[in-house]
Parts: sequence; C-alpha cells; structure tokens
Amino acid sequence: KAGVTQTPRYLIKTRGQQVTLSCSPISGHRSVSWYQQTPGQGLQFLFEYFSETQRNKGNFPGRFSGRQFSNSRSEMNVSTLELGDSALYLCASRLAGHTEAFFGQGTRLTVV
Amino acid sequence: EDQVTQSPEALRLQEGESSSLNCSYTVSGLRGLFWYRQDPGKGPEFLFTLYSAGEEKEKERLKATLTKKESFLHITAPKPEDSATYLCAVLDSGSRLTFGEGTQLTVNP
Repeated sequence: KAGVTQTPRYLIKTRGQQVTLSCSPISGHRSVSWYQQTPGQGLQFLFEYFSETQRNKGNFPGRFSGRQFSNSRSEMNVSTLELGDSALYLCASRLAGHTEAFFGQGTRLTVV
Repeated sequence: EDQVTQSPEALRLQEGESSSLNCSYTVSGLRGLFWYRQDPGKGPEFLFTLYSAGEEKEKERLKATLTKKESFLHITAPKPEDSATYLCAVLDSGSRLTFGEGTQLTVNP
C-alpha cells in the first residue's frame, strides 16, 4: 500500500517568488493536513482539508494557501517567499473517522 | 490553546541502558495522544495512539503510557538503531494536531 507522497522532495527558490508543493494522500484518505517544520519552532500546523474544504487553519499569514482536489490530492502555495519560509513542509493524511495521521517524507524548501 | 512539552530535549544512552521520555500536555478535549519517530530529513513515522488515562501500548523495545496530564515513552534495552527524534502530539476536539518539540535520542554502541 503506497504511503503519502510529496513532490518535489527539494526546492530552492529566490525571495519574492512563489512555490507550489504537492501531496498525494494514502488511497482512501480524504483528510490532508500540512505542517511546517523548522529547527526553532518544531512542527507547526498550517491547514487541514477534508473533501475539498478547508476544515482548520493555523496561525500563518495569508501568503500560505492550499487546496484539495476531488481525488483528495492537495497542493500548498506560498507566495512572495521570505527567507524565513525555508523549512521542511510535511503533509499528513488521515482516514475519515480515524485519528492517526500518516506523514509523507516532506519537501525541503530553501529560500535564498 | 493546546500545549505539548517534551523533556528532555536530548538524551544520550549507552546500548542496553533503559530510560523514559516525557510528554506533558494541556488540551481542549483530548481525542488522542500520539508518539512519532522522526529520522533526519524524513517525515515522522507513526508509533502509537493512546486515548485515555491508564492506557498502555507496546512495540518491540518501546512502551507508551498515558495519564491525565502526561505520557511517557519507555525505551527498554535500546539499540543504536533506536536513535531518532521522538515526537509527541495531541489531537483536540477540533481535530487540530499539536506537536511538542521532540526529544533527540542518541544510543551509543
């Protein structure tokens, strides 16, 4: 059974640019959540989508946005990149009615 | 606001030396407490879910326990391959998952 797949694994972007990250959940999982992980802040919740609707949102600026498609795949977009956006971005999926979240390997974003 | 505090931040053990990691939490309507293992540059790997005080779960050399205010991850006779960062997280009634900063465990041969 395939796990959560995130693409790309690595990205280098310049300040001011925008970036789109992709996440394919485990088959049958309709909940997808995004997290930012940095050495100083740990894992910070960005947002959660369920059946194409944003269900929860963390305390991040509006530059961070996301969406979910009808096949449950999700994308996260960051506009006007800042140096502080450099982080490991993690996606997790959950089966409806279950509590366990399963993570992908993450996308390492470096902003220069 | 939910809070999760893990201690110690880092722990160095000799192979075979048992110890425990702590996770203290405050949460609005606990739906579950989770332990994950994370290796450098990789995503967290699910280990356990605990739902109510008194519950215990075991997997190989790991045992997780839960009280109303904290959880412990006991590591018995660890091996070098147990070296990783161990993360604790709580899921609240609003389906928000809050993580602690993690404990970085190093097991020396």
